[in-house]
Amino acid sequence: EAGVAQSPRYKIIEKRQSVAFWCNPISGHATLYWYQQILGQGPKLLIQFQNNGVVDDSQLPKDRFSAERLKGVDSTLKIQPAKLEDSAVYLCASSPGGYQPQHFGDGTRLSIL
Amino acid sequence: DQQVKQNSPSLSVQEGRISILNCDYTNSMFDYFLWYKKYPAEGPTFLISISSIKDKNEDGRFTVFLNKSAKHLSLHIVPSQPGDSAVYFCAANQAGTALIFGKGTTLSVSS
Repeated sequence: EAGVAQSPRYKIIEKRQSVAFWCNPISGHATLYWYQQILGQGPKLLIQFQNNGVVDDSQLPKDRFSAERLKGVDSTLKIQPAKLEDSAVYLCASSPGGYQPQHFGDGTRLSIL
Repeated sequence: DQQVKQNSPSLSVQEGRISILNCDYTNSMFDYFLWYKKYPAEGPTFLISISSIKDKNEDGRFTVFLNKSAKHLSLHIVPSQPGDSAVYFCAANQAGTALIFGKGTTLSVSS
């Protein structure tokens, strides 16, 4: 079974620029999550999708972050404009739902100069 | 407000001995608890889980214990191996919702 795929692995941009991340979940997983992990912390939820609908985006900074999951499969997360505090690893996870573990991709490490 | 706490940032153990990683939580609504292992430059890898209706779950060298009254869980690794050296995250949720993670414990197993 193929795992969660994310790209790019690394991205360096200047503040106020825009950036986009892509995620392809495990086939058949209805639930998709985007987490932000700042150095020294555990991952924190940005947004949760169930199929192509948003379940929880309460912690997404909506003035600069946006996400979509078209056709209930792939997802993109965008930041515009980026701030220095957005430097982090952005992790995508997917799950069949219920009492099933979430499986993570290797993440995108974003550095803001 | 940290709902999941891992109070030990690091743990060092000798190969062959037991590693015990601890985790405390505050939200009594959590009913699913998980441990993830993370190597540098990789995403977290699922290790083992336990639901709130159980107090123990075992998978090979890994056992998770849940004490609901104390709101405490622990991960036991026996015997510890050098390849177990990684950051271990405790996480919890209500089934189907986003995971709440602790800050992680770095385990070092020396040979």
